[in-house]
Amino acid sequence: DQQVKQNSPSLSVQEGRISILNCDYTNSMFDYFLWYKKYPAEGPTFLISISSIKDKNEDGRFTVFLNKSAKHLSLHIVPSQPGDSAVYFCAASTIRDDKLIFGTGTRLQVFP
Amino acid sequence: DAGVIQSPRHEVTEMGQEVTLRCKPISGHNSLFWYRQTMMRGLELLIYFNNNVPIDDSGMPEDRFSAKMPNASFSTLKIQPSEPRDSAVYFCASSDQGTGIGYGYTFGSGTRLTVV
Repeated sequence: DQQVKQNSPSLSVQEGRISILNCDYTNSMFDYFLWYKKYPAEGPTFLISISSIKDKNEDGRFTVFLNKSAKHLSLHIVPSQPGDSAVYFCAASTIRDDKLIFGTGTRLQVFP
Repeated sequence: DAGVIQSPRHEVTEMGQEVTLRCKPISGHNSLFWYRQTMMRGLELLIYFNNNVPIDDSGMPEDRFSAKMPNASFSTLKIQPSEPRDSAVYFCASSDQGTGIGYGYTFGSGTRLTVV
């Protein structure tokens, strides 16, 4: 039972354009949602998070949007850069147990 | 800070052999997590510890898998006997629960396990 889903395994975007990565979840009890970025042969690194009481959080070129009614969140990267090419994982957690549930990941490729 | 340290980086073993993966969390972090990455299931949580005590091992796939955390600076994940379907990248992560889940975990670089 996949509580966090990333239905697009890959995405290709031209440099300078917007990248939009999507994530759906099933558990309405999640308190936090996070995005991680992973380069080959490295561990995932924390990128940005959002609390369930907010609908938007912005950090530089990265913005995460949360739509609780639709149980959907998205990560926007503007403008996209070649260095953004990586696998992006969506994750969610409840305050109660502090464990992160991850999605399957979306491979983003930013081409010149 | 050296971050979360995992060893070995790569492990190739024959089916039926015992495999031990090791992890040194960040000093001062009180939670430690073991994840497995596969194409089909992404990052799966296997087990996590808080203050060296196993809290949730519901993700451990079978009795062949076991994990220990004898002290705050060391944890092991053991597979005995190993099978080809165990081939995956295994990640260890740690966190300071006091800073709040919104800040996420710090992951190690992973151990790529291949069972032939």
